[in-house]
Amino acid sequence: KNQVEQSPQSLIILEGKNCTLQCNYTVSPFSNLRWYKQDTGRGPVSLTIMTFSENTKSNGRYTATLDADTKQSSLHITASQLSDSASYICVVPWGAGNNRKLIWGLGTSLAVNP
Amino acid sequence: EAGVTQSPTHLIKTRGQQATLRCSPISGHTSVYWYQQALGLGLQFLLWYDEGEERNRGNFPPRFSGRQFPNYSSELNVNALELEDSALYLCASSFTEVDTQYFGPGTRLTVL
Repeated sequence: KNQVEQSPQSLIILEGKNCTLQCNYTVSPFSNLRWYKQDTGRGPVSLTIMTFSENTKSNGRYTATLDADTKQSSLHITASQLSDSASYICVVPWGAGNNRKLIWGLGTSLAVNP
Repeated sequence: EAGVTQSPTHLIKTRGQQATLRCSPISGHTSVYWYQQALGLGLQFLLWYDEGEERNRGNFPPRFSGRQFPNYSSELNVNALELEDSALYLCASSFTEVDTQYFGPGTRLTVL
């Protein structure tokens, strides 16, 4: 069964600290994986996309990793800021053509406290 | 360049009524997607429109329907509203089905 599972479900850290969010997937065949950031009550915003051949990709203070062998991805946030408080969602596409769909994780809710 | 827009921002209806939600995609995007996000839950795929046609739909009853207009904007209609339809409804658009989806701010539907 095609699934995307994220951990932890929620996380609270202090401003300035680092954190790592995990995403495990069983989607096959695999083509790419996306991380989205969703502020409360708003639409998700794409942070990064990892293709099969990429191991690490950075976007400012966000660094995503991908291990296609173990089917795991992580999102590392460095020097967290209050504005990083949001839900971080891992998404993996499956299928092709009209059968294509995105398999969404439930997200990790991150709270950055002062 | 304008992003995906949705209207209204908030919508309050009573059980049994019908709701219409609207979405305008980013200019040049032909694919429009609708998602439902109930409070505290993940995104649930509702519908995908491309070039005016419904390409795929999620596991939702037929009272959830929609359409895409020639200018690629889209409507989501929910008939016979039920209390559990209360959720944030998100619209996204993309160039093709393999490209990144860009989301609008959502419509918060409350069914009383």
